[in-house]
Amino acid sequence: LAKTTQPISMDSYEGQEVNITCSHNNIATNDYITWYQQFPSQGPRFIIQGYKTKVTNEVASLFIPADRKSSTLSLPRVSLSDTAVYYCLVGDTDTGRRALTFGSGTRLQVQP
Amino acid sequence: GAVVSQHPSRVICKSGTSVKIECRSLDFQATTMFWYRQFPKKSLMLMATSNEGSKATYEQGVEKDKFLINHASLTLSTLTVTSAHPEDSSFYICSARDLAGGPGTDTQYFGPGTRLTVL
Repeated sequence: LAKTTQPISMDSYEGQEVNITCSHNNIATNDYITWYQQFPSQGPRFIIQGYKTKVTNEVASLFIPADRKSSTLSLPRVSLSDTAVYYCLVGDTDTGRRALTFGSGTRLQVQP
Repeated sequence: GAVVSQHPSRVICKSGTSVKIECRSLDFQATTMFWYRQFPKKSLMLMATSNEGSKATYEQGVEKDKFLINHASLTLSTLTVTSAHPEDSSFYICSARDLAGGPGTDTQYFGPGTRLTVL
């Protein structure tokens, strides 16, 4: 399974754009990249998933370079409620039988 | 998106008793569900993979006789912590994948978690 590396923590202020980069040098051809958000005492919440280039939804954008060895989650204009832990995961979604392996995640703290 | 529920959300029990946690996929069928545990300020650790109609697959170091998993139907998996001890106190989270959209479109959805406290 591809291992991911993220910054342990990040600080930001309300209204700023936050970019969290994840390294996954050993990503396999069939692997997708998925980002989750987790608040204390809650299960992880799906944010965005992608395979290559750029993916955007109502919550975030995901940028994936051509070599796919890294990815960047972009959160536009963060608010205090975006304070959470963000996990980058890579895994083969073709079969659905393999669980995703969690790394340490990035603890984002948004200040007023 | 797909919804996964867990019950109970929190439970307190005495040492030596058994506790059952239910995980349900509410609007999709899941032939495979996963159980994780999470300690304070730590990441999620995969405990086992629950397969409908067959035995669960446990990760290395997880005692299968202590953490009994039953996947009775396509929407329900249960985790029973047998003879619980204080060191079993943790946050238990289940997840399931909705494969309805085909390869590349499925996503792993997580339940809200169950806080177990063993006194």
